[in-house]
Amino acid sequence: NAGVTQTPKFQVLKTGQSMTLQCAQDMNHNSMYWYRQDPGMGLRLIYYSASEGTTDKGEVPNGYNVSRLNKREFSLRLESAAPSQTSVYFCASSDQGSNEKLFFGSGTQLSVL
Amino acid sequence: GENVEQHPSTLSVQEGDSAVIKCTYSDSASNYFPWYKQELGKGPQLIIDIRSNVGEKKDQRIAVTLNKTAKHFSLHITETQPEDSAVYFCAASNFGNEKLTFGTGTRLTIIP
Repeated sequence: NAGVTQTPKFQVLKTGQSMTLQCAQDMNHNSMYWYRQDPGMGLRLIYYSASEGTTDKGEVPNGYNVSRLNKREFSLRLESAAPSQTSVYFCASSDQGSNEKLFFGSGTQLSVL
Repeated sequence: GENVEQHPSTLSVQEGDSAVIKCTYSDSASNYFPWYKQELGKGPQLIIDIRSNVGEKKDQRIAVTLNKTAKHFSLHITETQPEDSAVYFCAASNFGNEKLTFGTGTRLTIIP
């Protein structure tokens, strides 16, 4: 039982490049989330998916897109990376919804040069 | 929107002593208050949570207290151990609302 798995763990991009962060959970949870963590700012919600087939914007969605591929997988895409998107990205899932009792992955450290 | 302030930003305590981390929130409609622990290189892990209809909740060495009138809640860790060293985050939300607002974190160091 792996929980929430994120790939890659580290990534360096040049400004303007695109990439997709992958996330998969094996706990049969309905809700999935993408957060970013920046020093001194805690965690901020980018996008979430309350159930398979639905996605909604969080607090900081600009510059990102998401896809809920199926119940297990929820990907985050940066179409044209900017230095302001340098951050640590965490995927999380929950069987309760409403951001309760989140299970987090181990994160992706992204640097945009 | 909700604003969550967390203090202190860093805290060092002797092994065996108690540690207290405090958070305040601004939205009186908030009714769910979780605490997450983040170890180095890992994602946050839920350690305890409380709803607004409860004033205190305990789980072994960890307890959370909530004062709805003053809009603040605290994490108490007793008999601290080296493995308690981590960054702790408080958060607040309104049940049914997907907007969970996190505090800025407290780096707790346990001194052997």
